[in-house]
Amino acid sequence: DTEVTQTPKHLVMGMTNKKSLKCEQHMGHRAMYWYKQKAKKPPELMFVYSYEKLSINESVPSRFSPECPNSSLLNLHLHALQPEDSALYLCASSLDPGQSYEQYFGPGTRLTVT
Amino acid sequence: TQLLEQSPQFLSIQEGENLTVYCNSSSVFSSLQWYRQEPGEGPVLLVTVVTGGEVKKLKRLTFQFGDARKDSSLHITAAQPGDTGLYLCAGADEGGAQKLVFGQGTRLTINP
Repeated sequence: DTEVTQTPKHLVMGMTNKKSLKCEQHMGHRAMYWYKQKAKKPPELMFVYSYEKLSINESVPSRFSPECPNSSLLNLHLHALQPEDSALYLCASSLDPGQSYEQYFGPGTRLTVT
Repeated sequence: TQLLEQSPQFLSIQEGENLTVYCNSSSVFSSLQWYRQEPGEGPVLLVTVVTGGEVKKLKRLTFQFGDARKDSSLHITAAQPGDTGLYLCAGADEGGAQKLVFGQGTRLTINP
């Protein structure tokens, strides 16, 4: 089973709202990632968690707040977003944090900020 | 900064034709992955190549890793409409960094 699940599939939120994106994997992977993808562009790395600890933050604005409650779950808390934050948000996981290849992606959450 | 240059960026061909997509860099990668992405969905891992000169086949798709592990190619034989999608190459840093370097992608359209 190489499945990464993400909820919700679609999210529309106002600039003053607070919402959360959820990602789950049951493959025993110990590295989890958040990416942002704009139309016709490759995914851009936002955060990396290794063994449930934040190991990489790619200078992401503080209105995005990641959380890893356990080895299977990854959340992305959203607050006071801007319209330019509208994008496809992808979660991914990989077996070994020391080897980032073979990342398995979820289906993504299509976020629209109004 | 490691970069992966993918070409062509767009490709539209007729069903049954062959095609090759290239992924080039001046940097060495410990491995290289190819993904296919449908609109509104996440990338799906197609293959990982690790050894210089390695060739892997997945039905009508043939993947090759350059001898120096700086480049890769994806060849599709007898393309079908179901092959339509965005193809992404992504390289893993040889130093063991936890990041993948993505190419800009090739948007492939196979016309019936």
